[in-house]
Amino acid sequence: EPEVTQTPSHQVTQMGQEVILRCVPISNHLYFYWYRQILGQKVEFLVSFYNNEISEKSEIFDDQFSVERPDGSNFTLKIRSTKLEDSAMYFCASRDRNYNEQFFGPGTRLTVL
Amino acid sequence: AQKITQTQPGMFVQEKEAVTLDCTYDTSDPSYGLFWYKQPSSGEMIFLIYQGSYDQQNATEGRYSLNFQKARKSANLVISASQLGDSAMYFCAMREGGRDGTASKLTFGTGTRLQVTL
Repeated sequence: EPEVTQTPSHQVTQMGQEVILRCVPISNHLYFYWYRQILGQKVEFLVSFYNNEISEKSEIFDDQFSVERPDGSNFTLKIRSTKLEDSAMYFCASRDRNYNEQFFGPGTRLTVL
Repeated sequence: AQKITQTQPGMFVQEKEAVTLDCTYDTSDPSYGLFWYKQPSSGEMIFLIYQGSYDQQNATEGRYSLNFQKARKSANLVISASQLGDSAMYFCAMREGGRDGTASKLTFGTGTRLQVTL
């Protein structure tokens, strides 16, 4: 069964460093999303992406964040200068045009020291 | 105001019994969708069930059913014949607007931790 994959599963970085989180959405899906979940809290929307551009972004998704679909398969989230409060689980999700379900990847746990 | 409210931080249920996890929502959009996701201790988010605001019947998927009461703005998840493997965090989520709209993001509740006991 097709699934969303994410790499790495765990990333540890120093405050101020840049990180790139990678996702491979399900191949025929057209809508892509990033969410984050701070430990013990609810899942929060960051950004949605469709037709090679951002559809919507939340207040969390400030200038330090960017997304890209560099080729036909990958979908990346970049944080330019990480802060301690960026420590969280980051989930990528994708959706087929004709269905409602968003399928989530296994997540990348980001730890900022 | 919270868009999704889950008032039960934790629930216990005995194996083979049914359990209802509560979810209420708040939206003025006539078109919306309601979702339930399961998050086991391993951390992944597993889609369980979906209910559209215009759907006439309550959604069902195997042992999962959604008790959709539109006038009360509630979308409770019912798990029948609970199994030990059902122990997890359960999140209710809402999409406001149609699925093809630009605002197809999901807004999540705070979750309910379900523990299934022998």
